[in-house]
Amino acid sequence: EPEVTQTPSHQVTQMGQEVILRCVPISNHLYFYWYRQILGQKVEFLVSFYNNEISEKSEIFDDQFSVERPDGSNFTLKIRSTKLEDSAMYFCASSSTRGREADTQYFGPGTRLTVL
Amino acid sequence: GENVEQHPSTLSVQEGDSAVIKCTYSDSASNYFPWYKQELGKGPQLIIDIRSNVGEKKDQRIAVTLNKTAKHFSLHITETQPEDSAVYFCAASTGTASKLTFGTGTRLQVTL
Repeated sequence: EPEVTQTPSHQVTQMGQEVILRCVPISNHLYFYWYRQILGQKVEFLVSFYNNEISEKSEIFDDQFSVERPDGSNFTLKIRSTKLEDSAMYFCASSSTRGREADTQYFGPGTRLTVL
Repeated sequence: GENVEQHPSTLSVQEGDSAVIKCTYSDSASNYFPWYKQELGKGPQLIIDIRSNVGEKKDQRIAVTLNKTAKHFSLHITETQPEDSAVYFCAASTGTASKLTFGTGTRLQVTL
């Protein structure tokens, strides 16, 4: 069964450093998303992406964040200058473009980001 | 914006019993309601979903009900098994490829 994959599984970085989190969505999906989950809390929406542009973003997704589809298979989330409060689990998700199937978002296993 | 409330935050049941988790939503435009199961250290896994044109949906031991008038939906798990132990999240969205707004999660513990 196709699945969303994410790398790395765990990233440790120093405050102020840039990080890039990588995702490979399900191959025939064209809608992509990033969510984050601070330890013990609910999953929060960050951004959605379609046709090489941002469709929607939350208040969390400020100028320090950016997303990119650098090639036909990868989808990345960049945090330019990490803060302690960016420590969280980051999930990538994707959905199909086929009618109602576009409602259903499939999540990757996540990248745990720890900012020291 | 949408707000999703979820109860209870923890639920402990004996193996074989039923478990019910309830969610309410605020945005009447929401029309898609998935439920996700999250095991420790893993990403959310879709277990069942329901759309606003349907009142109930069942898949083996799992069922979801939706009351659009009251803006609430519930997850029902029958004949619970130890492997059902996990955190369950409800979510809501307003349309195709729209963001999911998640509830706060319910930690379900199934004891032998």
